[in-house]
Order: sequence, then C-alpha cells, then structure tokens
Amino acid sequence: QITLKESGPTVVKPTQTLTLTCNFSGFSLRTSGEGVGWIRQAPGKALEWLAVIYWDDNKRYTPSLKTRLTITKDTSKDQVVLTMTNVDPVDSATYFCAHRRILVPAAVFDFWGQGTLVTVSS
Amino acid sequence: ESVLTQSPGTLSLSPGERATLSCRASERVDSSYLGWYQQKPGQAPRLLIYGASSRATGVPDRFSGSGSGTDFTLTISRLEPEDFAVYYCQQYGSSPLFTFGPGTKVDLK
Repeated sequence: QITLKESGPTVVKPTQTLTLTCNFSGFSLRTSGEGVGWIRQAPGKALEWLAVIYWDDNKRYTPSLKTRLTITKDTSKDQVVLTMTNVDPVDSATYFCAHRRILVPAAVFDFWGQGTLVTVSS
Repeated sequence: ESVLTQSPGTLSLSPGERATLSCRASERVDSSYLGWYQQKPGQAPRLLIYGASSRATGVPDRFSGSGSGTDFTLTISRLEPEDFAVYYCQQYGSSPLFTFGPGTKVDLK
C-alpha cells in the first residue's frame, strides 16, 4: 500500500525559503519507473503542478516557478524534499506530494498525501 | 502552453441523476495522457480515470471517461450522495508537463 505524507512549516515569512518534506512508503525511488511530484492548491483555487522527480534523478519543474524550485530525493530515507526560495503571500497554499509511475497508470498521480497548509505572512 | 477548460463551472443535480462533465484542451492531447480526479473539501484529490477512459483501482463503474483529441468527458451515470465534489481533469504534455483544469463542482440541487 502506497502512502505519502507531507511535512513542513505552517507559516513562512515573505522572502524566506520554504522547505517541504514528503515521506513515503509502499514503493522505492530506487525502482525503475517510480516518481514523486509536488502539487499545490491555493485556498479555493485549482491544482497547480510544481515539480516531479524520478528514480533516475530526472527532475522537471513548472516553467513559471523553475528558478525558485529545487526538488531532491533521499532514497535511503524514502523522502523527497521541495524547496521554494523567496516566497510571497501568493505562495500560500496547501502543498501535496503524490506518487506517479511512468507506465501504468500513465501520466497521472495515483496516490496523494493529505497535504500541508503553508501560509506566507509577516 | 496547453490550457484545459472545464465546463460547466458548477453542476447542480440530485442523487440518481446523470452528470456529464466536459474538459477541453487548447491543443490536442494524447488520450493516454488525460486523467480525472475527484476532490472533496479538506481532502486530497483522488484519481478516478487515467488514459481518458480507464478506471483507477477501486473506482465504481458508475464513473466513466471518454473522448479524444481536444474534447474529453467524465460521466457519472447515477449520482450517489458521496459523489458531490469537485472534479478536475489533468493532462500530461509539453509545457508545463502536467496541467490541471479549473474544476467542475457537482453540488446538490
């Protein structure tokens, strides 16, 4: 059974760096085809994909935030970390991490964490 | 950049009725790369459909997906009380790699 859980600060000050951790179980990022992505959702808004990392350390970012995001993995800890620099109040959102597999089901996120709410405020 | 549009924004229906949700892409989408999610308040999205028409594990067969090219549809044949939620379509494509639509809210009439 695949599970994911996000953790991180609930409040961050503007211009600071936000670091979020996704701890997962039920799969390994040592296994070919496995990946973990980050998606966020501002209050009352739609989902926005941010980044994804794969077993082979291939990383992809959404273009609009690419300069501010870094995604890394620690396979020994079954952990993926997302950092976002220079945060702004518009970055206030619930941040989800989610599992994806290259093959089936293709091109979707099939398991999601519960999300962690981050507020950017001074 | 490929954009997804969902309609209607809100669908007001009664239990037992049929729900038809539309997702339109600004550029052609490979059907293998179109998915649908359900999200209830305070919860994470749940994958319903992948590959435009394949149900994810555990999804009831009252949910079905169809479509190709730029037009895709999620149909709920008979609404159950637990189906009132927001539904998002999502594509995998060029840039950005994953794009979600704005969502359709199915609420109680």
